[in-house]
Amino acid sequence: ETGVTQSPTHLIKTRGQQVTLRCSSQSGHNTVSWYQQALGQGPQFIFQYYREEENGRGNFPPRFSGLQFPNYSSELNVNALELDDSALYLCASSPGGQLHEQFFGPGTRLTVL
Amino acid sequence: SQELEQSPQSLIVQEGKNLTINCTSSKTLYGLYWYKQKYGEGLIFLMMLQKGGEEKSHEKITAKLDEKKQQSSLHITASQPSHAGIYLCGADLANFGNEKLTFGTGTRLTIIP
Repeated sequence: ETGVTQSPTHLIKTRGQQVTLRCSSQSGHNTVSWYQQALGQGPQFIFQYYREEENGRGNFPPRFSGLQFPNYSSELNVNALELDDSALYLCASSPGGQLHEQFFGPGTRLTVL
Repeated sequence: SQELEQSPQSLIVQEGKNLTINCTSSKTLYGLYWYKQKYGEGLIFLMMLQKGGEEKSHEKITAKLDEKKQQSSLHITASQPSHAGIYLCGADLANFGNEKLTFGTGTRLTIIP
């Protein structure tokens, strides 16, 4: 059984650019959630996708957007990057429905200069 | 203020000693997750608790959920160097039932020989 994978591992962008991060969910999982973790903080919920539809969003501006594909993999897109977007971006997958164990990927470290 | 408070923020424990980490919520806990994180890496799932009074154990780690107190504790018995890392609690605070988690800021555990 393959776990949650994310790409790329690290990324350096400049302010104003756009970035796309990718996540492959664990086999059998149809729900993907994205979190942003700033240095020294706990992860903050960005949004969740369930069966290709957005299923809830945290307190993040519209320049954070996402997609989920038929194979349940997902993308996180961030437009007009700001310095404060520098963080570890984590995705987590779960089987969906009521509370289940949620498994996280290794994360993508984004640095905005 | 944080909806989910962890204490202590950091802990230095001699190898072989027991320790407890607490996670206290300002809201009702509908599901409580414990994760471990090595610096800058993804979150490793430890345990999920759903019902008041529930207690789960895995190897030398035990977690309990006190629903009335809106609190969970994580107890490590006979600590080992492999237990070092950042422990994060995450919770469903709105009864979404679909793992949109709010996290605490983490407890950094250091094990000294």
